[in-house]
Amino acid sequence: KNQVEQSPQSLIILEGKNCTLQCNYTVSPFSNLRWYKQDTGRGPVSLTIMTFSENTKSNGRYTATLDADTKQSSLHITASQLSDSASYICVVSARQAGTALIFGKGTTLSVSS
Amino acid sequence: SAVISQKPSRDICQRGTSLTIQCQVDSQVTMMFWYRQQPGQSLTLIATANQGSEATYESGFVIDKFPISRPNLTFSTLTVSNMSPEDSSIYLCSASRDSTYEQYFGPGTRLTVT
Repeated sequence: KNQVEQSPQSLIILEGKNCTLQCNYTVSPFSNLRWYKQDTGRGPVSLTIMTFSENTKSNGRYTATLDADTKQSSLHITASQLSDSASYICVVSARQAGTALIFGKGTTLSVSS
Repeated sequence: SAVISQKPSRDICQRGTSLTIQCQVDSQVTMMFWYRQQPGQSLTLIATANQGSEATYESGFVIDKFPISRPNLTFSTLTVSNMSPEDSSIYLCSASRDSTYEQYFGPGTRLTVT
């Protein structure tokens, strides 16, 4: 069964600190992995998309890694800001007809001052 | 990129009534989708809105309950029919130019059924 699991479920950090969110997946055949940021009351916004051949991709203070062998991904946030408080969703796309996106349940990050 | 707007942004509806949610994309897109996000949960795909033909529904979702229209490449509607409190959720529209490309999301419609 195609699944995406994220950890931790929630996380509280101090402003300025770094943090890493984890994503494990069992999706086959794999097409790409995406990280989205969803602010409260808003739709998800894409941070990164990685294909099988990419093992790291950055978007400002966000760096995503992908290990396709172990089927793991991480999202590292550097020098966190209050505006980073949001839900971070890992989404894996299965390579098949149509669009099959498998969503993780997300990690809720709270950045406090 | 694509900018997606939804109307209404939120609504409170009575049990047994229906609500139609509109989704407008600022450019032509190949694929449009409707998702549901229940409180504290991640997104669940309801259906793919096909331009000029019937929508493709995911398991557990049926056309009689969630009729969808897509008259052109920039617009779609989702109707939540005969609502019950269990339909209280956020409904999100998304669009993509290709199944392998970026998928953009609208801001969502927060529906409360009383």
